[in-house]
Amino acid sequence: KAGVTQTPRYLIKTRGQQVTLSCSPISGHRSVSWYQQTPGQGLQFLFEYFSETQRNKGNFPGRFSGRQFSNSRSEMNVSTLELGDSALYLCASSFSGTVGSPLHFGNGTRLTVT
Amino acid sequence: ILNVEQSPQSLHVQEGDSTNFTCSFPSSNFYALHWYRWETAKSPEALFVMTLNGDEKKKGRISATLNTKEGYSYLYIKGSQPEDSATYLCAMNSGGYQKVTFGTGTKLQVIP
Repeated sequence: KAGVTQTPRYLIKTRGQQVTLSCSPISGHRSVSWYQQTPGQGLQFLFEYFSETQRNKGNFPGRFSGRQFSNSRSEMNVSTLELGDSALYLCASSFSGTVGSPLHFGNGTRLTVT
Repeated sequence: ILNVEQSPQSLHVQEGDSTNFTCSFPSSNFYALHWYRWETAKSPEALFVMTLNGDEKKKGRISATLNTKEGYSYLYIKGSQPEDSATYLCAMNSGGYQKVTFGTGTKLQVIP
């Protein structure tokens, strides 16, 4: 069974640009959540999607948005990039998305904003 | 703001030693506690998810316990091996679905 796939692995953007990251969950998993990791910080929850609906959102500005498609693939978009958005972005899928379901992570997208 | 705290921040142990780390979390509004292992250049891997007070889980040489009343979980590694070197993350579900709050991790290095 293929794992969670994130593309691209690395991205370099300049301030003010926008970026779209993609996540393909494990086949059959319907919940996809996104996390940001910056140096010295734990994984910060961005949002979670289930059956194309956003169920939870973290404390991030509106520049961060996402969506999920009918095949459960998810995209995350960051508009008007700032230097502080440089981070590792991880997505995770779970089968049912219920409390107590383990998260299965992708390898992440490393975003550098210059 | 929900705070999940882990200690120590980092740890060096000799091969063969047993070790343990702590995860502290607010006991109110608790739903589930997760442990993950994150090796360098890999993705975080789920070790355990626990939901009930007094839960104990074991996977090979690694085990975990949960105390939801006092808000802590311990992760134990028996007879540490170099391949156990990784960052160990704990995380808490404080509400429905998969809104999970992570601690900053304990970085373990096992010296051969």
